[in-house]
Amino acid sequence: DTEVTQTPKHLVMGMTNKKSLKCEQHMGHRAMYWYKQKAKKPPELMFVYSYEKLSINESVPSRFSPECPNSSLLNLHLHALQPEDSALYLCASSLYGQGRYGYTFGSGTRLTVV
Amino acid sequence: DAKTTQPTSMDCAEGRAANLPCNHSTISGNEYVYWYRQIHSQGPQYIIHGLKNNETNEMASLIITEDRKSSTLILPHATLRDTAVYYCIVNFGNEKLTFGTGTRLTIIP
Repeated sequence: DTEVTQTPKHLVMGMTNKKSLKCEQHMGHRAMYWYKQKAKKPPELMFVYSYEKLSINESVPSRFSPECPNSSLLNLHLHALQPEDSALYLCASSLYGQGRYGYTFGSGTRLTVV
Repeated sequence: DAKTTQPTSMDCAEGRAANLPCNHSTISGNEYVYWYRQIHSQGPQYIIHGLKNNETNEMASLIITEDRKSSTLILPHATLRDTAVYYCIVNFGNEKLTFGTGTRLTIIP
């Protein structure tokens, strides 16, 4: 298995809703990442988990809450989002938390906040 | 991480070699050069990376100048499926992969 699987592929949520994005990989990668991508812009790093511990938080608002229950699974919990949070959310993984082996990205969850 | 400069857009005829330049004049000795691409509405895809030597894999070749201040990604026989945004990223191989604005490559039939 050489993929990063993200679910759901599309999500529409209201500003008062609570939802979660899920990311899964079975490549034995020990680092996992969340990126946010607005239309026609490059991906922006949000969070990095290394060996299931949060190692980087790029000053992301607390309405985004990451969780890494085990080495294969990464969640992003969403609460009280704003319309400007609508974007493509990308999950990625890499072997040892070192980018020298390249990252594997999922296809993303397209989130719309209404 | 060092900054990179790439042309905003490029066109290439189908079947020809696509040569995508990247300037990274402030690169330090331990920083790698990575290339990723992103086809519309998909996640980025790793293409190739290198430190000092030229590299080749099944997707592309990477040519790094001797002074390491610039590099070129070569797609030897471009197809329509190579139309994408190509990102050149310079990184110490750490956890923080930061994307620049990239080059939008369009393959012309």
